[in-house]
Amino acid sequence: DTEVTQTPKHLVMGMTNKKSLKCEQHMGHRAMYWYKQKAKKPPELMFVYSYEKLSINESVPSRFSPECPNSSLLNLHLHALQPEDSALYLCASSQGLAGGVNEQFFGPGTRLTVL
Amino acid sequence: QKEVEQDPGPLSVPEGAIVSLNCTYSNSAFQYFMWYRQYSRKGPELLMYTYSSGNKEDGRFTAQVDKSSKYISLFIRDSQPSDSATYLCAMMTTGGSYIPTFGRGTSLIVHP
Repeated sequence: DTEVTQTPKHLVMGMTNKKSLKCEQHMGHRAMYWYKQKAKKPPELMFVYSYEKLSINESVPSRFSPECPNSSLLNLHLHALQPEDSALYLCASSQGLAGGVNEQFFGPGTRLTVL
Repeated sequence: QKEVEQDPGPLSVPEGAIVSLNCTYSNSAFQYFMWYRQYSRKGPELLMYTYSSGNKEDGRFTAQVDKSSKYISLFIRDSQPSDSATYLCAMMTTGGSYIPTFGRGTSLIVHP
């Protein structure tokens, strides 16, 4: 299985809602990532988990809360978002963060709209 | 100056043309170079991966790295309408966090 899956594909939420994005991979990768991508822009790194521990947090607002329950799963919990948070949220995974090949494999993304 | 520069396009070519997509960079520590293809409203798909300088070929795609000029290219031969997408270059250093730095992407349109 060489796929990263993400659910849901689309999400519309109000500013007071709480929702979660889910990501799963079964490639045995030990690093997992959340990116945010606005239209016509490159992916912007949010969080990195390495061996299920948060390794990098790129100064993301606390209304985004990541969680890595196990080596195959990655969640992004959303609360009190703003309309400007509307974007494509991408999950990616790679073998690891130390040495050698580390190309990232991306999921299809969740298109989030905040009303 | 951004670390990775990539012309956003759009680049419009007729079917069958040879396409050349390019990125320049300023960080001489970059050693790993990748090209991703991203269709509209989808996640990026890894196309090619090269280490250091040289060429790498995979079917209709050729990736080229010139570290002396800090310039990388992706060539697409016999381009097809299905190649219409945004192409993102990405680069990584060695010995660091192994997090890629992305270019902003070039939009390619191949018309029949």
